[in-house]
Amino acid sequence: EVQLEESGGGLEQPGRSLRLSCTASGFIFGDYAMSWVRQAPGKGLEWVAFIRSKPKGGTTDYAASVKGRFIISRDDSNGIAYLQMNSLKTEDTAVYYCTRENDLYYFDYWGQGTLVTVSS
Amino acid sequence: DIQMTQSPSTLSASVGDRVTITCRASQSISSWLAWYQQKPGKAPTVLIYKASTLESGVPSRFSGSRSGTEFTLTISSLQPDDFATYYCQQYESYPYTFGQGTKLEIK
Repeated sequence: EVQLEESGGGLEQPGRSLRLSCTASGFIFGDYAMSWVRQAPGKGLEWVAFIRSKPKGGTTDYAASVKGRFIISRDDSNGIAYLQMNSLKTEDTAVYYCTRENDLYYFDYWGQGTLVTVSS
Repeated sequence: DIQMTQSPSTLSASVGDRVTITCRASQSISSWLAWYQQKPGKAPTVLIYKASTLESGVPSRFSGSRSGTEFTLTISSLQPDDFATYYCQQYESYPYTFGQGTKLEIK
């Protein structure tokens, strides 16, 4: 059974950093691209960051709203995707979901989400 | 970036009703469109991909269609479990973008 479990969320002050983890199981993690999608309280879904599988280059891409501040990475040996969030802003407050992009390019599995609150 | 315009934002309906939600892309995305269902406090789950292909395990009362850059999600006969928020998402190119969402409420 495919499972994605996020961790690392919490309360942090503006300007500080936080690292989210997504621990995967039930599939060959290294074969899949992974993304982070966030949802601000009471709002819609926003794609944040993406990392390809290493066989396909391991390249990354970011939403304009986080480019230069967030870094996505992966540890295929342990089945973990990370989102390093630097220079946090209050508008980064959201539930952050880890998602798997399958071979047909849509998000077929999502984690349960982890809440990040940025506030002084 | 490709903009996805979803309507309506809220829809009130009754059990047994047929409902349609529409999503329009700002440019051609071929059929690279997915529909997701989200219930309060839960992660989204995929219903339909490639505009009209039903994800495994999803009830057949859900269907999707495409006409040019306009996409529709239809629920043929609403069940109590279907009251939720629905999102379209284009995956033609990054940045992947979502519609604003449609909250389906009980009338």
